[in-house]
Amino acid sequence: EVVMTQSPATLSVPPGERVTLSCRASQSISTNLAWYQQKPGQAPRLLIYEASTRATAIPVRFSGSGSGTEFTLTISSLQSEDFALYYCQQYNSWPPLTFGGGTKVEIK
Amino acid sequence: EVQLVESGGGLVQPGRSLRLSCEVSGFSFDDYAMHWVRRAPGKGLEWVAGLSWNSNSIGYAGSVKGRFTISRDNAKKALYLEMSSLRIEDTAFYYCAKDITKRYYYDDSGNYHVLSAFDLWGQGTFVTVST
Repeated sequence: EVVMTQSPATLSVPPGERVTLSCRASQSISTNLAWYQQKPGQAPRLLIYEASTRATAIPVRFSGSGSGTEFTLTISSLQSEDFALYYCQQYNSWPPLTFGGGTKVEIK
Repeated sequence: EVQLVESGGGLVQPGRSLRLSCEVSGFSFDDYAMHWVRRAPGKGLEWVAGLSWNSNSIGYAGSVKGRFTISRDNAKKALYLEMSSLRIEDTAFYYCAKDITKRYYYDDSGNYHVLSAFDLWGQGTFVTVST
């Protein structure tokens, strides 16, 4: 099983700041990685797939990078609607498909 | 309009069974893999099960393998999750999710894949396993 580790668990950031979230895989997953955002009471939303491809209708302030075992999600200028939980997910090998434990981005 | 609508959640006693359904509309259901993903209270997301567009590839999380069965009816545009021998730790929101990949793809390394990321999600149905 590929274990996904996200850091930090919580990030306190003022609006307008640049944010970088990290995700590490326990073994190489090429670029078979996705990022999701989840807000309270809502279903998750796909932000990024193939490590760096923005999903439909995702603002350009969201970007992804990395390959192999190290990945990052960057929000260039944090907006009020971006405060949420963020998860990475690998789909290189399965079963199982695996998620990271999540990073909570909160208002500072 | 693209929609995924789950149903079948509710309160069930430990050891009993429950069947979740997901009805979809707005896309070519039989061209895409489908998944069930859950989120227990206070926990993160957990992939539960997935199956390819033609049901030839099926997989389960270790925590549910042997107890849950995923299936699809392409004619009805529906996805199902049969859950048996339910445990208290199965209590969660269960989401139906569509795979972003149409049938299959080859990654940058030339490897063949039939399951990938989840681009559309239902609103979820809550399952409570309790006495």
